[in-house]
Amino acid sequence: KQEVTQIPAALSVPEGENLVLNCSFTDSAIYNLQWFRQDPGKGLTSLLLIQSSQREQTSGRLNASLDKSSGRSTLYIAASQPGDSATYLCAVRPEETSGSRLTFGEGTQLTVNP
Amino acid sequence: NAGVTQTPKFRILKIGQSMTLQCTQDMNHNYMYWYRQDPGMGLKLIYYSVGAGITDKGEVPNGYNVSRSTTEDFPLRLELAAPSQTSVYFCASSYSGGEAFFGQGTRLTVV
Repeated sequence: KQEVTQIPAALSVPEGENLVLNCSFTDSAIYNLQWFRQDPGKGLTSLLLIQSSQREQTSGRLNASLDKSSGRSTLYIAASQPGDSATYLCAVRPEETSGSRLTFGEGTQLTVNP
Repeated sequence: NAGVTQTPKFRILKIGQSMTLQCTQDMNHNYMYWYRQDPGMGLKLIYYSVGAGITDKGEVPNGYNVSRSTTEDFPLRLELAAPSQTSVYFCASSYSGGEAFFGQGTRLTVV
């Protein structure tokens, strides 16, 4: 059974700092990995999708990397801003074609202080 | 762009009542999912569907039922509501194994 772990569970940083969020998964047979952002009381917003054949994806100040063989992904946020404060979730999709469901980590709660 | 739309946003149910959570998507996605999110926990898959007429159980299906008669709609039915079903429910969709998109959630309280 696939298990996804996110470390740290919570992170507080001053504005302007560069930071890294970590995601690890136990079964390396994944199809893709997706990073989401969730604001309090809101739904999930997709940030980045990395296919298993890719090493990284970038969107603005966000960069996600994937090391499938070691079962790890990182989300790098450059020059953090108070508006980046949210919970960040990673989810993996298995290689098997039936269902192709996402398995989620429990998230990292990020606070960026002005 | 509506994306994934869930109704209602909030609901309070009494123990033993039943209700249907509605989910519709306008992106012509074949895959649809229902997740629940409990405080401090990750999202748990309840049911999913890979196309109209096809549904399957996820990790926590007990107490729920689904149907998928059209590509657009994937309602979740709660029968005999219990306090353990107090949660936030999210519907999501994707085109096969691609990027998943989520609705804004339904916050359900069973008292």
